[in-house]
Amino acid sequence: QVQLVQSGAEVKLPGASVRVSCKASGYGFTSHAFDWVRQAPGQGLEWMGWMNPENGNTDYAQKFQGRLTLTRDTSISTTYMELTGLRSDDTAVYYCARGVYDSGNGQYYFDYWGQGTLVTVSS
Amino acid sequence: SYELTQPPSVSVSPGQTAIITCSGDKLGNQYTSWYQKKPGQSPLLVIFQDTMRPSGIPDRFSGSNSGNTATLTIAGTQPMDEADYFCQAWDGNIVFGTGTSVTVL
Repeated sequence: QVQLVQSGAEVKLPGASVRVSCKASGYGFTSHAFDWVRQAPGQGLEWMGWMNPENGNTDYAQKFQGRLTLTRDTSISTTYMELTGLRSDDTAVYYCARGVYDSGNGQYYFDYWGQGTLVTVSS
Repeated sequence: SYELTQPPSVSVSPGQTAIITCSGDKLGNQYTSWYQKKPGQSPLLVIFQDTMRPSGIPDRFSGSNSGNTATLTIAGTQPMDEADYFCQAWDGNIVFGTGTSVTVL
């Protein structure tokens, strides 16, 4: 069965960087895109960026341009999200999600999600 | 940037119908998906392509989309359906709705 397993919770100081991993299993790693979505306490879902694991192409939400980097290691079916220059308002649960792109219908949605990784930014 | 607006909260009695709306400019021209989010759990896809249910999602969940509004309907709402619900669309960028908290009283 499809599974996305993320790395554990992190506590970081303001200004630091964090890297969260997401290991995929149960399907072909390069067959679907990976997206990262976060949810701050009491807030909604916020899309951060997207990566094509086949060629490493990425696209980031404008809000995260310059701070967010998505990478992957195809040999271990793992994708990574690195966020730099952390601030207190980056405290959130970060999710990886498997993207389903239907070019014929012009739709994109997420059918499987990781369990989430809590990142706390505090001095 | 494109925005999707949902009512902050919806209350429903057990067994009744919950209707959650998602409004955006010409939203009917795009496909909408819906996710259920319970505290401490990952989001769960309940509707994609406006009306389609993934395998394992009960048929009490249904969706529609026309004009500027997409709608998620939960018929015969059960206490286990109490959660936050988010709509999502794609116009070249992923957009999530503001979220609706469904309370089953």
